[in-house]
Amino acid sequence: LAKTTQPISMDSYEGQEVNITCSHNNIATNDYITWYQQFPSQGPRFIIQGYKTKVTNEVASLFIPADRKSSTLSLPRVSLSDTAVYYCLVGDPRGGGFKTIFGAGTRLFVKA
Amino acid sequence: GAGVSQTPSNKVTEKGKYVELRCDPISGHTALYWYRQSLGQGPEFLIYFQGTGAADDSGLPNDRFFAVRPEGSVSTLKIQRTERGDSAVYLCASSPLSGRANNEQFFGPGTRLTVL
Repeated sequence: LAKTTQPISMDSYEGQEVNITCSHNNIATNDYITWYQQFPSQGPRFIIQGYKTKVTNEVASLFIPADRKSSTLSLPRVSLSDTAVYYCLVGDPRGGGFKTIFGAGTRLFVKA
Repeated sequence: GAGVSQTPSNKVTEKGKYVELRCDPISGHTALYWYRQSLGQGPEFLIYFQGTGAADDSGLPNDRFFAVRPEGSVSTLKIQRTERGDSAVYLCASSPLSGRANNEQFFGPGTRLTVL
């Protein structure tokens, strides 16, 4: 299974764009990249998933370079409520499930 | 609609006791996952089911841990002879067996297990 590496923590201010980069040098051909968000005392929540290039939804954007060895989660104009832990995962979800490995995640702290 | 539910929300037990943790997945979701999360760490994969069968149980730490999903919906995680190191939040997640790439997992609120 591909291992992911993320910064342990990041600080930002309200209204700024936040970019969290994840390294996954051993990503396999069939692997997708998925990001989850977790607030204290809650289970993780799916944010976005992609395979290559760029994916955008109402919450975030995901940028994946051509070699797919890294990916960047971009959160536009963060607010205090975006303070959470963000996890980057890689795996092949198309079979209906896969052994999902969460790392330690990136703790984002948004300040006023 | 209803999300993933887990019961109990909190469980306090004594070392050496047996506990059962229950997960009710979203209706129709074929894949079900169990994770364990300790303070300050990411969720640790334990096991996942496709339907009634355990597709991958390689994350179960030892033979004191066992999980079942007899009818392909509700799942129970069973821990025998609990140890203090088993104290953690146990998370359950479910996802549809759609065959599509965007197969996100929907997590429950977790069961906080404390072994005294």
